[in-house]
Amino acid sequence: GQSLEQPSEVTAVEGAIVQINCTYQTSGFYGLSWYQQHDGGAPTFLSYNALDGLEETGRFSSFLSRSDSYGYLLLQELQMKDSASYFCAVGVGGYNKLIFGAGTRLAVHP
Amino acid sequence: KAGVTQTPRYLIKTRGQQVTLSCSPISGHRSVSWYQQTPGQGLQFLFEYFSETQRNKGNFPGRFSGRQFSNSRSEMNVSTLELGDSALYLCASSSRGDENSPLHFGNGTRLTVT
Repeated sequence: GQSLEQPSEVTAVEGAIVQINCTYQTSGFYGLSWYQQHDGGAPTFLSYNALDGLEETGRFSSFLSRSDSYGYLLLQELQMKDSASYFCAVGVGGYNKLIFGAGTRLAVHP
Repeated sequence: KAGVTQTPRYLIKTRGQQVTLSCSPISGHRSVSWYQQTPGQGLQFLFEYFSETQRNKGNFPGRFSGRQFSNSRSEMNVSTLELGDSALYLCASSSRGDENSPLHFGNGTRLTVT
């Protein structure tokens, strides 16, 4: 089967750094993406890694190691508005067919 | 630029009925994908359309179908509704529909089947 594993919940304080890990086991691999979803909202795209290494976009960075089938999302200088669910997703078979992880609920406290 | 628009936002249907959901992608986006989101199964891929052609399909029964029009707008239909079809149905558009094109999701249609 195809599966992505990520922690169900993470808690952190404002200003801190948090890392959300994602390991995957899929048939086919067209890159690892991360999406953020606030309660009642739509998922929004954060980052995409097709090749090994680190991608940085502002306070958010994403890392991929294809040999380890592993990636992570790093959120720095946490703000209250970062409280949301974060999903990793692997492209399989092309054409926007993504397999999503179950999501990590991040709670940021003052 | 307007985002992805899904209508209606909420729907309540009875078992056995059918339902049609609508999605208008971001202007210029030719790829439209549909996902089902439930607390138990998470986000699951339904199908993807590009230039009116279905290019990829998930593991859902044939009761779930879709189509795309020449203006890239898309509809999905669920026939013979079951209680388990209660979910948030999300539409997403992308410019090229390839792995390098991020998905832009709409706010979804929340379907409740009673």
